[in-house]
Amino acid sequence: KNEVEQSPQNLTAQEGEFITINCSYSVGISALHWLQQHPGGGIVSLFMLSSGKKKHGRLIATINIQEKHSSLHITASHPRDSAVYICAVRSRNNDMRFGAGTRLTVKP
Amino acid sequence: EAGVAQSPRYKIIEKRQSVAFWCNPISGHATLYWYQQILGQGPKLLIQFQNNGVVDDSQLPKDRFSAERLKGVDSTLKIQPAKLEDSAVYLCASSLGGKLFFGSGTQLSVL
Repeated sequence: KNEVEQSPQNLTAQEGEFITINCSYSVGISALHWLQQHPGGGIVSLFMLSSGKKKHGRLIATINIQEKHSSLHITASHPRDSAVYICAVRSRNNDMRFGAGTRLTVKP
Repeated sequence: EAGVAQSPRYKIIEKRQSVAFWCNPISGHATLYWYQQILGQGPKLLIQFQNNGVVDDSQLPKDRFSAERLKGVDSTLKIQPAKLEDSAVYLCASSLGGKLFFGSGTQLSVL
């Protein structure tokens, strides 16, 4: 079993829909990252969380430390949001473990 | 602010050949990571440096992979000899205050 599990693996949505991507992890962590990877491989860090909730524009990330679960929400989705979204955790040993990613396609 | 620079962007080699990748992290970032990302999978950590010291290389296949960061700034990752299963994107990232910054990666194809 992977230490970081994401769901769904693939997600197709219509423009304007509300999107949720989930991440569950099995190790103790000091921080959780949500990353966005566009075709061509470039990765951008969206959020770094250790508790609670963060919001940036149309993106919202939440984390529940007790349940070892985080969600990434996209409101009013747009085709330019199409990308792979990766959940990564920094363990208490300071090493990073990554989920396999969720491929999001937003259709106009 | 300049980002994490990697080169080359693409590399195609035959199996059993050698290859080297270069990374220049963001100025002032003490922590540098090399990741391997096979198509359809999340990145896998190969090695983590803190300045010029190795923090974690537990997942680095040391029989063929090596990495160095001699002056605590630039880093090189080498594969010698390459195998077909090494075909992947090799990502370099640097970190400050826990926030990660990734380079564009080097896409390696081993034929």
